[in-house]
Amino acid sequence: GAVVSQHPSRVICKSGTSVKIECRSLDFQATTMFWYRQFPKQSLMLMATSNEGSKATYEQGVEKDKFLINHASLTLSTLTVTSAHPEDSSFYICSAALTGELTDTQYFGPGTRLTVL
Amino acid sequence: GNSVTQMEGPVTLSEEAFLTINCTYTATGYPSLFWYVQYPGEGLQLLLKATKADDKGSNKGFEATYRKETTSFHLEKGSVQVSDSAVYFCALSPTGGGNKLTFGTGTQLKVEL
Repeated sequence: GAVVSQHPSRVICKSGTSVKIECRSLDFQATTMFWYRQFPKQSLMLMATSNEGSKATYEQGVEKDKFLINHASLTLSTLTVTSAHPEDSSFYICSAALTGELTDTQYFGPGTRLTVL
Repeated sequence: GNSVTQMEGPVTLSEEAFLTINCTYTATGYPSLFWYVQYPGEGLQLLLKATKADDKGSNKGFEATYRKETTSFHLEKGSVQVSDSAVYFCALSPTGGGNKLTFGTGTQLKVEL
């Protein structure tokens, strides 16, 4: 149980285009989903916290107009990288927390590798 | 603020060797502590966790004990396998923190035959 999927797993796009990444909790409902960015050989950097039905909370230094997050249902959150540039190339990982879970466990998706040419 | 410090890698071991990856943390109160593992090209998988002092998390032969007095959560395994080669992340979630995780920088483990 507690499986999280991401789509696509890899995407290559041209500079200036927008890319949407989906994060789905497959067998549970997730009130809260998180979006992380991971640079090569580095740790995960939390970008934003997404709560179903409300606006996402962005971490300091993350441009909310560039990284649009929508959490329209208890099983789906999307991250749209708008007007992507080569510096946005990275590994994007989402995670989901179980609704009503008393502990602090997050379940992670497999990640999306974004390459902007 | 909260922080997690892990030993730098890569750590290279022979199969069946004993593994220790050190992790210490800084946080107020009683955070929950986690070890996550990331295999090449994949996302993170929860390996084990502990939610209060002196708790021991264990899974797949890995263990870690929550030591409040030394603010540590070192990961250990008695006999590693080649398939354990991955990057290991120590993380904490603050007391009542609403699931927000702070990660260490990760330690790469390479196990050779």
